[in-house]
Amino acid sequence: KQEVTQIPAALSVPEGENLVLNCSFTDSAIYNLQWFRQDPGKGLTSLLLIQSSQREQTSGRLNASLDKSSGRSTLYIAASQPGDSATYLCAVRRGATNKLIFGTGTLLAVQP
Amino acid sequence: DAGVIQSPRHEVTEMGQEVTLRCKPISGHDYLFWYRQTMMRGLELLIYFNNNVPIDDSGMPEDRFSAKMPNASFSTLKIQPSEPRDSAVYFCASRMTGETIQETQYFGPGTRLLVL
Repeated sequence: KQEVTQIPAALSVPEGENLVLNCSFTDSAIYNLQWFRQDPGKGLTSLLLIQSSQREQTSGRLNASLDKSSGRSTLYIAASQPGDSATYLCAVRRGATNKLIFGTGTLLAVQP
Repeated sequence: DAGVIQSPRHEVTEMGQEVTLRCKPISGHDYLFWYRQTMMRGLELLIYFNNNVPIDDSGMPEDRFSAKMPNASFSTLKIQPSEPRDSAVYFCASRMTGETIQETQYFGPGTRLLVL
């Protein structure tokens, strides 16, 4: 059974700092991995999607990496801003299915 | 596009009552997903449809839950009878068949359900 864990559960950093969020999964047979952002009281917004054959994806200040063999992904946020404050969720899609298995989330607070 | 639309945004009901949640996916998307989010269990997939056909309902907690998709632009999730432990945020998401970025799931704003 696929399990997805995110560390840390919560993180508080001063504005401008670079930071890394971690996601680990137990079954390396994944189709892709996505990083989402969730703002309080709102739905999820997809940030980056990495196919199983890819090593990383970049969008603006965000960079996500994937190491299937070790069952890990990281989300790197450069020059953090207060507007980055949210909960970040990673989700893996299993091989031939359309199911997303979500991680436990990391609550990020960027202090001005 | 207006994105995935869900209604109502908030629902408060009493135990034993029927609850119906509604979702309109993004036009052109052929997959629709229903999720439930709680503090204890996080975000869980309940059921998903492809071309209006239920494909996997293994996440539906019990017979009190049912979902339908009568056409490509509308789906419902019904709970009958509702219980306090059903209190959660229910999300609907949709996506289209395609490659890479097109496989991204787009989430609605959710329905916050409170069963008293």
